[in-house]
Amino acid sequence: NAGVTQTPKFRVLKTGQSMTLLCAQDMNHEYMYWYRQDPGMGLRLIHYSVGEGTTAKGEVPDGYNVSRLKKQNFLLGLESAAPSQTSVYFCASSSLGDTNQPQHFGDGTRLSIL
Amino acid sequence: GENVEQHPSTLSVQEGDSAVIKCTYSDSASNYFPWYKQELGKRPQLIIDIRSNVGEKKDQRIAVTLNKTAKHFSLHITETQPEDSAVYFCAASGPYNTDKLIFGTGTRLQVFP
Repeated sequence: NAGVTQTPKFRVLKTGQSMTLLCAQDMNHEYMYWYRQDPGMGLRLIHYSVGEGTTAKGEVPDGYNVSRLKKQNFLLGLESAAPSQTSVYFCASSSLGDTNQPQHFGDGTRLSIL
Repeated sequence: GENVEQHPSTLSVQEGDSAVIKCTYSDSASNYFPWYKQELGKRPQLIIDIRSNVGEKKDQRIAVTLNKTAKHFSLHITETQPEDSAVYFCAASGPYNTDKLIFGTGTRLQVFP
């Protein structure tokens, strides 16, 4: 049982390039999230999804797009990378319940934009 | 929207001593408060959580207390060990599964042997 798997683990991009980060979970969780983590700023929510085919904006959505075509996968896209998007990106998932459920995180993707 | 403040940003303790990390939140509707531990270069991992219908929860050496009136909650680690060294994050969220988690900025705990 792998839990939440993120690919790639590391990536270096040049300004203006595009890329997609992949998150896969094998826990049959309904909800999935993308966060970015910057020094001294904790985890900030970029986008999230409450089910297959749905997405919603979080705290810091600008410059990112997401898609949830399959329940187990949640993709984060950067159309035109900027140095301000240098960060560690974490994906998380949680199960459906009447109340808020614990989120399970992946190992992260360290992204550098030059 | 919800705002979570966490203090202190760094905390150094001697092995065996206790450590306390405090968080305050702004939205009185928040009722779910998890704590995550993140070791260097690793993923955040849930260590304990509490809901607003209880005031305290314990799990071996860790405990969390919640004061809804004052809108603050705290993590207590007793008999600290070097392996407790990590960054700890608090978070707060509303009552529904679709409510977003808002994280504090983290506390770096160092436990010296």
